[in-house]
Parts: sequence; C-alpha cells; structure tokens
Amino acid sequence: GAVVSQHPSWVICKSGTSVKIECRSLDFQATTMFWYRQFPKQSLMLMATSNEGSKATYEQGVEKDKFLINHASLTLSTLTVTSAHPEDSSFYICSANGASGSYYEQYFGPGTRLTVT
Amino acid sequence: GQNIDQPTEMTATEGAIVQINCTYQTSGFNGLFWYQQHAGEAPTFLSYNVLDGLEEKGRFSSFLSRSKGYSYLLLKELQMKDSASYLCAVGGATNKLIFGTGTLLAVQP
Repeated sequence: GAVVSQHPSWVICKSGTSVKIECRSLDFQATTMFWYRQFPKQSLMLMATSNEGSKATYEQGVEKDKFLINHASLTLSTLTVTSAHPEDSSFYICSANGASGSYYEQYFGPGTRLTVT
Repeated sequence: GQNIDQPTEMTATEGAIVQINCTYQTSGFNGLFWYQQHAGEAPTFLSYNVLDGLEEKGRFSSFLSRSKGYSYLLLKELQMKDSASYLCAVGGATNKLIFGTGTLLAVQP
C-alpha cells in the first residue's frame, strides 16, 4: 500500500529556533502534499497545499513566512517552523495525493509532535 | 464559509451500535469522508460517499444526504479497539479535505 513517512516523529526545541519536518511518500509519487496542524482534542486544520516544483498555497490565517514549505521532489515535502514559539506546539500531520490526484488517494503520515519550550 | 459539525464526545457499550452524525455547509462538495484517528496517530481512511445513500463496509456503514448536508457513520458490534476519534471531512476544491470538529468515541465494557 501507499506509505507516507514523517521525520522526526517528535521534536522539542527552544523558543526562537527553527525546526524542519520532513514528509516523504515512500512507494509512490505525490504530486500534491498537504500540511495539517492539530491541537489537543481538536480536529485537523489544513495549513497549506504543496505542489511539486511550485510555491505552496497557504490557508487563510497561516503565516507563510513563519511556516516555510518546500516541495522539492515528487516524494519529499518539508515544513520549517521558523522562530518557533510555545503556541506553535502542536501535532503536525502531512498527507499526500497519489498519482491519480483524487481525494480517495490521500494518505496520511504518522505525524510529528512539536513542543516549543 | 465552511462549517462541519459533529458531536464532541460519545459513549457506547461494547457489542452495541453507535451512530455518529455530521452536518456540513461548504462552498464546494466533492464527497464526504470518514476517518478514524487513535490518539497520537495519523487518521486512517474509513469510508467515502459522493452519492446519496448508504455505503456498507463490514462493521462500518456511512450514509449521505447531499440535499440535507448530512452524513452519519454507523459502527456495529462495537469493540474496545473502536475507541478513537472519528473525523468527518468534506472534499473541497483542488483536492482539499476540510475536516469537522471530530467525535471522540469511548467504548465501555
């Protein structure tokens, strides 16, 4: 089946530093990847849509200069949280569309738990 | 605007049947999805409805009424491992999924 990995699975960083999260499609090429954020006991909130070779599209209210997204290849997208603050502490989940590009083929990674101290 | 509502929490008994409702108002509609998510893990796909009616898949069934903006997920023969959050999501434009608030289901012995 289609597998999406994320690295790291958890990270603790100090306030003011930056942290990079990787999302990889392991056995398929993902033309589109999505980044979500999930706070405790809340649902997933879409942050941005990432297309290979082009700029990411950010949802309303998401700061593009703070959450840098790079989709350098068909199997890798990265999310960099710059100048992290404690309020950025959250569970970050990526998903990837399969080659058909349909919703039906959106596969989720295992998530990255970010804690900013 | 986009609005997808679900009950926050539900409790049910092992072996019973539970129905989790979802109502939605979205600017676009390309299908209704249900996902299961255990704490600290990624969501896993359960079902997809794009036409009105009931889709059955083993112990899980999902229903959609597009005219009413309404869907439900039916879980039969509940097992303890079914304790999880259940997320309703609407397929919007450009392959986006818009997630509802999620329902935390607790299955009790």
